[in-house]
Amino acid sequence: EAGVAQSPRYKIIEKRQSVAFWCNPISGHATLYWYQQILGQGPKLLIQFQNNGVVDDSQLPKDRFSAERLKGVDSTLKIQPAKLEDSAVYLCASSLRGISGNTIYFGEGSWLTVV
Amino acid sequence: GENVEQHPSTLSVQEGDSAVIKCTYSDSASNYFPWYKQELGKRPQLIIDIRSNVGEKKDQRIAVTLNKTAKHFSLHITETQPEDSAVYFCAASISAASGSRLTFGEGTQLTVNP
Repeated sequence: EAGVAQSPRYKIIEKRQSVAFWCNPISGHATLYWYQQILGQGPKLLIQFQNNGVVDDSQLPKDRFSAERLKGVDSTLKIQPAKLEDSAVYLCASSLRGISGNTIYFGEGSWLTVV
Repeated sequence: GENVEQHPSTLSVQEGDSAVIKCTYSDSASNYFPWYKQELGKRPQLIIDIRSNVGEKKDQRIAVTLNKTAKHFSLHITETQPEDSAVYFCAASISAASGSRLTFGEGTQLTVNP
């Protein structure tokens, strides 16, 4: 079974520039998550989708971050304009359904460095 | 919201010894507690999980215990091996009508010395 695919794997941008990350979840997984993991910390949820609807975006900095999952499959996460503190790994994850107890599978992550 | 605290932040053991990592959570509604292992530069991978209707679960050298009353759960690794060296994260999940949301601890860097 194919895993969660993410691209690009690595990105270096200057502050105030924009960047977009793409995620393709495991086939059939209704729930998709974007997590931000700063070096040395645990992953922090940015946004959660159930199919193409947003379930939770309470920790998404909406002044600069946006995400969409238009057809309920792939998702993109955008940052504009980027700040130095956005340097982190952006992990996409998916699960079969959002009910507690279902395994969440992570992608390899997109490493962002803002200089 | 949920808050998960994890201790210790670093743990160094000799090969063959046991390692224990402890986590506490704040929301009594949490009912799913997975543990993830993350090697340097790699994705977090689920190694074991436990639900709130179970007090203990074991899988070979790895076991997890849950104390709902005290709101804490622990990971136990026996007969540690150098390949167990990684960062381990605990997490707690609250089930909602629209899905679940994992809140992670800050991680424990485990080093197993040969």
